Amino acid sequence: GAVVSQHPSWVICKSGTSVKIECRSLDFQATTMFWYRQFPKQSLMLMATSNEGSKATYEQGVEKDKFLINHASLTLSTLTVTSAHPEDSSFYICSARGTGSAYGYTFGSGTRLTVV
Amino acid sequence: RKEVEQDPGPFNVPEGATVAFNCTYSNSASQSFFWYRQDCRKEPKLLMSVYSSGNEDGRFTAQLNRASQYISLLIRDSKLSDSATYLCVVTDSSASKIIFGSGTRLSIRP
Repeated sequence: GAVVSQHPSWVICKSGTSVKIECRSLDFQATTMFWYRQFPKQSLMLMATSNEGSKATYEQGVEKDKFLINHASLTLSTLTVTSAHPEDSSFYICSARGTGSAYGYTFGSGTRLTVV
Repeated sequence: RKEVEQDPGPFNVPEGATVAFNCTYSNSASQSFFWYRQDCRKEPKLLMSVYSSGNEDGRFTAQLNRASQYISLLIRDSKLSDSATYLCVVTDSSASKIIFGSGTRLSIRP
């Protein structure tokens, strides 16, 4: 089946530094990838949609200059949290949809970010 | 109004009980519907797709009512391992974006 690999699984960083999270589709080509954020006891909130070869589409209230998304190939999307602050601490999850199917939403295992 | 609404629970039921979750969505043009399961501190995993004709997978039955914009999930003979948060998921009209409900927490007690 479709597999999405996300890493790192967890990261602790100092306030003010940047953190890059990678999301790879291992056995299929992902034309579209989604990035979500989940705070404790809350649902997943869509942050942005990244499309291979074009700019990401950000949801209302998400700062595109703070959360940089790059989807340079059909198998890799990255999310960079720039100048991280403690309030950015959260669980970040990517999801990919392969070509040819509207039903193939597969999730990465998530990245737990803690900013100290 | 939220795009996808679910009763947050928690539902606390004894092992072997039957439990039902409901979900409503606001966009009548929504394309596809799913139930996902999420365990604590883990990523969501697809439980089942939901079709208008209804579909069953073992102890799980899902139903879609497009006229009422309503989705349901029924779990029969619940097991301890069914304890999780169940997420109702809907795609938008172009099927290009998936929208999550806030989830319903289920706890099965021995």
